[in-house]
Amino acid sequence: DARVTQTPRHKVTEMGQEVTMRCQPILGHNTVFWYRQTMMQGLELLAYFRNRAPLDDSGMPKDRFSAEMPDATLATLKIQPSEPRDSAVYFCASGTTGVGNQPQHFGDGTRLSIL
Amino acid sequence: AQKVTQAQTEISVVEKEDVTLDCVYETRDTTYYLFWYKQPPSGELVFLIRRNSFDEQNEISGRYSWNFQKSTSSFNFTITASQVVDSAVYFCALSDAALTTSGTYKYIFGTGTRLKVLA
Repeated sequence: DARVTQTPRHKVTEMGQEVTMRCQPILGHNTVFWYRQTMMQGLELLAYFRNRAPLDDSGMPKDRFSAEMPDATLATLKIQPSEPRDSAVYFCASGTTGVGNQPQHFGDGTRLSIL
Repeated sequence: AQKVTQAQTEISVVEKEDVTLDCVYETRDTTYYLFWYKQPPSGELVFLIRRNSFDEQNEISGRYSWNFQKSTSSFNFTITASQVVDSAVYFCALSDAALTTSGTYKYIFGTGTRLKVLA
């Protein structure tokens, strides 16, 4: 089965360091979503792309977070500088547009701990 | 505004019992989509089912079944003869036209229901 691939699976780093999380969407999918999951806030949508173009990143703290899609096979989410409150599980999901609202398929997530 | 409510925070059942997870949604659109996802202890989110607002037929897949009732804005999920492997957090999600940009649908997720199936 095709899967969304996220790297790294786990990341522990110190406050102030840059963090980059990567996502390889399912081949042929043209939409990519970044989510953050915490106990307090649940699943929050941070940003999403269609055909590599950002559609909405209003869920992201703009001063420190950035999301890009350098090409159709790679999406990145960067945090610089990182803070302890960024500790969470970050999920990438991919899907397709068109009639029928096809489901989003999620990667395994990146568990981020900022010390 | 759209909203998904999963009022059951946690449910514990003994293996082989049937269990129903509730999902109540709010939307003003006539066209919308509902989803269920499973998040096992390993952490990944697994897609289970999608239902559009024009299809009110209930669906059964093995031990899983879904009851969609527009009259009560509910999309409940039942596991029959539960097993320990069903232990997970289950999320209900909604997507509608108001959440759409350029043909791309955003989801609103519920807060999830943690199901514990005891051996």
